[in-house]
Amino acid sequence: DAGITQSPRYKITETGRQVTLMCHQTWSHSYMFWYRQDLGHGLRLIYYSAAADITDKGEVPDGYVVSRSKTENFPLTLESATRSQTSVYFCASSRDFNTEAFFGQGTRLTVV
Amino acid sequence: AQSVTQPDIHITVSEGASLELRCNYSYGATPYLFWYVQSPGQGLQLLLKYFSGDTLVQGIKGFEAEFKRSQSSFNLRKPSVHWSDAAEYFCAVGAEGGGSYIPTFGRGTSLIVHP
Repeated sequence: DAGITQSPRYKITETGRQVTLMCHQTWSHSYMFWYRQDLGHGLRLIYYSAAADITDKGEVPDGYVVSRSKTENFPLTLESATRSQTSVYFCASSRDFNTEAFFGQGTRLTVV
Repeated sequence: AQSVTQPDIHITVSEGASLELRCNYSYGATPYLFWYVQSPGQGLQLLLKYFSGDTLVQGIKGFEAEFKRSQSSFNLRKPSVHWSDAAEYFCAVGAEGGGSYIPTFGRGTSLIVHP
């Protein structure tokens, strides 16, 4: 199916473990984004990518790593998970810099 | 850097009443402006957007928004709210810089609809 999909939808992990959240889009959009959503903070940009092999930091990048070897995939890795990274993570993509973003359904991550 | 303020955390309206959700932005040039809606457990869906031209923008689901440069505002309106409009609403501003587009979101306004 066309669209943007995130996996897993739910994840529980332990403090200190590495965890990777996956994001896949079928539109060949140039831009992809990772946000975290926390109560009282709205959506905060973690990392974004303007094209394959081009990534840049957003507002809250510490503790996260991204890569984009293929246009359609934009995985987000928490190198050593902390409780403060418990959140709902959204991936999004857009065709160009001035077009709307399409969002995945989110991954709810709990770090215990 | 650009910023977005949604001053109302919660808004409660009765079904059939009119609605206005406020959004103020801070950006030096003409911004790209968006309103998104998030239903419970879902991702965000675009309601409407403003890039240039007519300052009154029509969107999906009967929503509209008006860009007012003098007030740095982009308020969302609907003349008659339906129970299904209960959701979280996010205003966003995009800034063009170096060929990149980095959208910044407000903290959101939760809309509660009473029958």
